Amino acid sequence: QVQLQQSGAELAKPGSSVKISCKASGYTFTSYAMHWIKQTTGQALEWTGYIAPGSGGTKYNEKFKGKATLTVDKSSSTAYMQLSSLTPVDTAVYYCARGTRYPGTPFDYWGQGVMVTVSS
Amino acid sequence: DIQMTQSPHSLSASLGETVSIECLASEGISNYLAWYQQKPGKSPQLLIYYASSLQDGVPSRFSGSGSGTQYSLKISNMQPEDEGVYYCQQGYKYPFTFGSGTKLEIK
Repeated sequence: QVQLQQSGAELAKPGSSVKISCKASGYTFTSYAMHWIKQTTGQALEWTGYIAPGSGGTKYNEKFKGKATLTVDKSSSTAYMQLSSLTPVDTAVYYCARGTRYPGTPFDYWGQGVMVTVSS
Repeated sequence: DIQMTQSPHSLSASLGETVSIECLASEGISNYLAWYQQKPGKSPQLLIYYASSLQDGVPSRFSGSGSGTQYSLKISNMQPEDEGVYYCQQGYKYPFTFGSGTKLEIK
């Protein structure tokens, strides 16, 4: 069965970076895009961007350009999101979710989420 | 960016009741509309995609409809496990955007 297993919670200081992971199993990793979605404590959901593991191609929400960097390791079927220059505004739960790079296709499987807390 | 206006913000329903949640897009999205359910402490789960297609494993009491800019999710015969927050999401144009959510509780 399809599973997306994300790494554990992160506590980071302002100005630092974190790299969270999403290990995929149960499907062909390179056949689907991996999307990343931010959820703040107010419950709002924001699409951050996606990466196509087969090509390494990426697309970012303009709002997150320079903040988020998406990469993959095809050998371990793992997707990564690095968040840089952290501020308290980056405090949120970050989900990975399977989709495609084509408009219209939904996010059919989600990881359990990673809580990132930015605090001094 | 396409704005997704979801209503109501919250509602309560009795067991067995039918409820509807609305989602209005700021421009036409060609039925590229998905609905998700989120329970406390859990990740969102896909219910409906392409406006009216039921995701595998989702009970048939959930249904979606709409076109153009207006879409709705209907839950028939409300059950206790239907409590949660519901979100719409447009997949028509990047950046993909979500509605603000509707909290559904049992009355």
